[in-house]
Amino acid sequence: SQQGEEDPQALSIQEGENATMNCSYKTSINNLQWYRQNSGRGLVHLILIRSNEREKHSGRLRVTLDTSKKSSSLLITASRAADTASYFCATLRNTGGFKTIFGAGTRLFVKA
Amino acid sequence: EPEVTQTPSHQVTQMGQEVILRCVPISNHLYFYWYRQILGQKVEFLVSFYNNEISEKSEIFDDQFSVERPDGSNFTLKIRSTKLEDSAMYFCASSEDRGNTGELFFGEGSRLTVL
Repeated sequence: SQQGEEDPQALSIQEGENATMNCSYKTSINNLQWYRQNSGRGLVHLILIRSNEREKHSGRLRVTLDTSKKSSSLLITASRAADTASYFCATLRNTGGFKTIFGAGTRLFVKA
Repeated sequence: EPEVTQTPSHQVTQMGQEVILRCVPISNHLYFYWYRQILGQKVEFLVSFYNNEISEKSEIFDDQFSVERPDGSNFTLKIRSTKLEDSAMYFCASSEDRGNTGELFFGEGSRLTVL
């Protein structure tokens, strides 16, 4: 089943603005992670939030998790041109195995 | 800083040929993964590997695919008889644990082009 669907698919903002990306998932999870991917490169881990946490901060990043709605959001504050990338949420299901599933991603473009 | 390395960075092959993609995970990591990403599309899980055996695999990971850890450092993905639709970026990742408390560390990927 699909896991980790992000919206919007693409987002274009001006430098200095905040960017909010959302992620929804279907099954019960152990944790949810956000990754960043620059064009043609590997994925880089940004932040992990556990299923018993509601909010987490790291620098300019703020992640929320609502397990009742099976959704998460990633907020990047005071965006910079260098934040231009694709952002993916990823979920680890709590079925005992280890299979982190990625969503389709949001392409963020920050205009200087 | 330790990193996951993948070779080759780009491989072009003819349909029907065998391909081996190589990965050197981070040395103290115990869990290994292969993902693939068709151009512009989502990152798809292929397989996870622990303690010298496959832990989970997706429906994409059919009999054409195999993984191996031939020595203490390399982790390989073999595609036995490539098809056009196997053209994609293949990413190797490793983690210290099952992902409960930490992240997956990804390599830069191997781009496979099947002609």
